[in-house]
Amino acid sequence: AQSVTQPDIHITVSEGASLELRCNYSYGATPYLFWYVQSPGQGLQLLLKYFSGDTLVQGIKGFEAEFKRSQSSFNLRKPSVHWSDAAEYFCAVGGAGAAGNKLTFGGGTRVLVKP
Amino acid sequence: DAGVIQSPRHEVTEMGQEVTLRCKPISGHNSLFWYRQTMMRGLELLIYFNNNVPIDDSGMPEDRFSAKMPNASFSTLKIQPSEPRDSAVYFCASSSRDSGSYEQYFGPGTRLTVT
Repeated sequence: AQSVTQPDIHITVSEGASLELRCNYSYGATPYLFWYVQSPGQGLQLLLKYFSGDTLVQGIKGFEAEFKRSQSSFNLRKPSVHWSDAAEYFCAVGGAGAAGNKLTFGGGTRVLVKP
Repeated sequence: DAGVIQSPRHEVTEMGQEVTLRCKPISGHNSLFWYRQTMMRGLELLIYFNNNVPIDDSGMPEDRFSAKMPNASFSTLKIQPSEPRDSAVYFCASSSRDSGSYEQYFGPGTRLTVT
């Protein structure tokens, strides 16, 4: 069965500081991995995705994520956080397995940005 | 592209009433997903369709919930009768199964309040 764990429910970071959000997954085949962001009152927006190739992927809004197969992780990073990055972030896994094109989402990490 | 369109954006109804939520997926997408989001349970997949056919409805909480996709550009999620515990934000998402990329694009959601 596929699953995603985001160990941190809340993270508080100062504006301008770096941010790293953790994501661990379990998937029986080659995983496709995603990070989504949800601002208050909004739907989920795709930040970036990993299918294959370079394990460091760049996304929108200055975010990047690194796929580490040996650790079953896909952590999201941003070098310098802006106040507008305050939101909830979701990691998701899917792929060409028995689950079809269904995605499994983690529980989310809520990011608060201090001035 | 207009993105995924959901209506209404907000719905307030009384317990026992029928509620119908609507979704128009992105043109050309052939997979459609209905999710429910609450503080307590997070993001839950209710049902998804491929080429207008329901593939997995194991997430539908009970028989009061039903979903249809009569054509490639329209889907409904109906709750009859509604109960206060159905209060949540309901999201529709679509993806292109044929592209093999699996990323889902979310609508803005419908915030349902059942009193």
